[in-house]
Amino acid sequence: AQSVSQHNHHVILSEAASLELGCNYSYGGTVNLFWYVQYPGQHLQLLLKYFSGDPLVKGIKGFEAEFIKSKFSFNLRKPSVQWSDTAEYFCAVKNGGNKLTFGGGTRVLVKP
Amino acid sequence: NAGVTQTPKFRVLKTGQSMTLLCAQDMNHEYMYWYRQDPGMGLRLIHYSVGEGTTAKGEVPDGYNVSRLKKQNFLLGLESAAPSQTSVYFCASRPDGPYEQYFGPGTRLTVT
Repeated sequence: AQSVSQHNHHVILSEAASLELGCNYSYGGTVNLFWYVQYPGQHLQLLLKYFSGDPLVKGIKGFEAEFIKSKFSFNLRKPSVQWSDTAEYFCAVKNGGNKLTFGGGTRVLVKP
Repeated sequence: NAGVTQTPKFRVLKTGQSMTLLCAQDMNHEYMYWYRQDPGMGLRLIHYSVGEGTTAKGEVPDGYNVSRLKKQNFLLGLESAAPSQTSVYFCASRPDGPYEQYFGPGTRLTVT
């Protein structure tokens, strides 16, 4: 069965620091990749997605992610975080079927 | 458009009681999904539907049933609630093709 791993469960950083969240998946075929964000008390919102083409994907709010096929990875980055980036971040993978597999999530706390 | 809506937002059940969660979408999406979110486990797929009148099992279907009698609605039923079903339930939908899922605001269910 496909699995998605997010290595960091909790990340604490200060405003203006850079953020990188890891995501690795186990499926070897063609994949669609997503990062979702869940702000406190809210539903999941799409940050960015990769289907094909340029492996460096830019999303909303200054986030970007890089798909490295050889490493089965899709890491999320932001050069300079803000307090408003405090949220839980989920990586998700679709492997050609109708379903998404989610990672366990990373809680990010940005200290002002 | 309201997007994806869920009813109710909160519910407390006693063990053995039954209830139905309603998900509605006004985007004419073909696919609909029910997930449960538990701390540290990300989102896990309960059941999904690829179109009106169809349903399929996801990763954690036991103890739940679903129905999709109308394209815009996807109902999740708990016939005999158990404390292990205490969770936050999210519904999502997406159109046919390479598109992301759109999530509802969630239902927080507590079973005592």
